[in-house]
Amino acid sequence: DIQMTQSPSSLSASVGDRVTITCQASQDISNYLNWYQQKPGKAPKLLIYDASNLETGVPSRFSGSGSGTDFTFTISSLQPEDIATYYCQQYDNLPPDFGGGTKVEIK
Amino acid sequence: EVQLVESGGGLVKPGGSLRLSCAASGFTFSSYSMNWVRQAPGKGLEWVSSISSSSSYIYYADSVKGRFTISRDNAKNSLYLQMNSLRAEDTAVYYCARVYWVYDSSGPFDYWGQGTLVTVSS
Repeated sequence: DIQMTQSPSSLSASVGDRVTITCQASQDISNYLNWYQQKPGKAPKLLIYDASNLETGVPSRFSGSGSGTDFTFTISSLQPEDIATYYCQQYDNLPPDFGGGTKVEIK
Repeated sequence: EVQLVESGGGLVKPGGSLRLSCAASGFTFSSYSMNWVRQAPGKGLEWVSSISSSSSYIYYADSVKGRFTISRDNAKNSLYLQMNSLRAEDTAVYYCARVYWVYDSSGPFDYWGQGTLVTVSS
């Protein structure tokens, strides 16, 4: 199985800050990497697919980059409504595992 | 509007069985692969199983292989998860989720249901 290592596991930032989350795959997954946002008590929501493609309707302050084994998810200017846990997911191989998640809080 | 609505969760004793359902609407259900993903209380997301649009390809996580069975009825726009020999560690919210691309067996999960809670406890 491909291991997805996400960091940090949690972070606290101020409104307007740039927030960066990384995800590392245990082997090359090309660009088969997605990012999801999950708010408390809600289902996950797809934000970024194929490493850098913004899902329709998702604000442009969210972005993703990377390929191979190293990926980055960025919120360019943190907003109060961005408080959530963010997960990366690979789908290059089965099982399509998720990273451990990053909980984003407001400082 | 795409909608996925899970049902069938509840409290079950260890060793017991439960059948989850996911009712789909707002899209051509028979054209999309579907998945079950679960989340234990306070934990992260864990993929459970996937089924291709025509049921030709079915996959399971090692943690549920031999105990869970995924199926679908395209005439009823419904996805199912039969869960047998349930264990305490199967306690979780179970989500159904659609694969992004038509007829692709893998891909991002673009629509999710609201989830149904399964609690395995004596």
